[in-house]
Amino acid sequence: AQSVTQPDIHITVSEGASLELRCNYSYGATPYLFWYVQSPGQGLQLLLKYFSGDTLVQGIKGFEAEFKRSQSSFNLRKPSVHWSDAAEYFCAVLMDTGNQFYFGTGTSLTVIP
Amino acid sequence: ETGVTQTPRHLVMGMTNKKSLKCEQHLGHNAMYWYKQSAKKPLELMFVYNFKEQTENNSVPSRFSPECPNSSHLFLHLHTLQPEDSALYLCASSNRDRRTEAFFGQGTRLTVV
Repeated sequence: AQSVTQPDIHITVSEGASLELRCNYSYGATPYLFWYVQSPGQGLQLLLKYFSGDTLVQGIKGFEAEFKRSQSSFNLRKPSVHWSDAAEYFCAVLMDTGNQFYFGTGTSLTVIP
Repeated sequence: ETGVTQTPRHLVMGMTNKKSLKCEQHLGHNAMYWYKQSAKKPLELMFVYNFKEQTENNSVPSRFSPECPNSSHLFLHLHTLQPEDSALYLCASSNRDRRTEAFFGQGTRLTVV
């Protein structure tokens, strides 16, 4: 069965520090990969996506993610975190057949001054 | 603004009430989804519609009844809910053919009293 794992439930970083959020997936072929961000009480906003090509993808708000096929990973990174980045982050995959999106359990990010 | 609009944003209902959640998208998408997001739980896919046809029903209780009259509108009819049904209900849409990301609405915060 397909699955998405975000091993870190909660992460706290200092403002200005770098950030890496982990995501691993279980799927036989290369899926389509996404990172979403959710502020409290809001819907999910797409940060970036990977379909094919360059394995390092750039997104909005200064985020980037790298697809590593050998590790079945799609980790999200940001070189310098801002207080406004505090939110819940979700990794998601879409198989190349069907249209069901599988989401990880999310990582809650706290940013301290 | 993601192009997916959900109404109402907040809803309080008694266990004997009947209410409906509405979702509307004008993105030209042909797939629509209902997700349930409860506190401290992962996103739960409830229903998937492709071209107005329901293709997924993830063991959702019959007190939740979806309706998709056309590819732009999706409803979730609610009746005799339980307090544990209180959650954020998220609607999303995507283009099944072009394999786009899912676009989410802002959600409806439902409280069952």
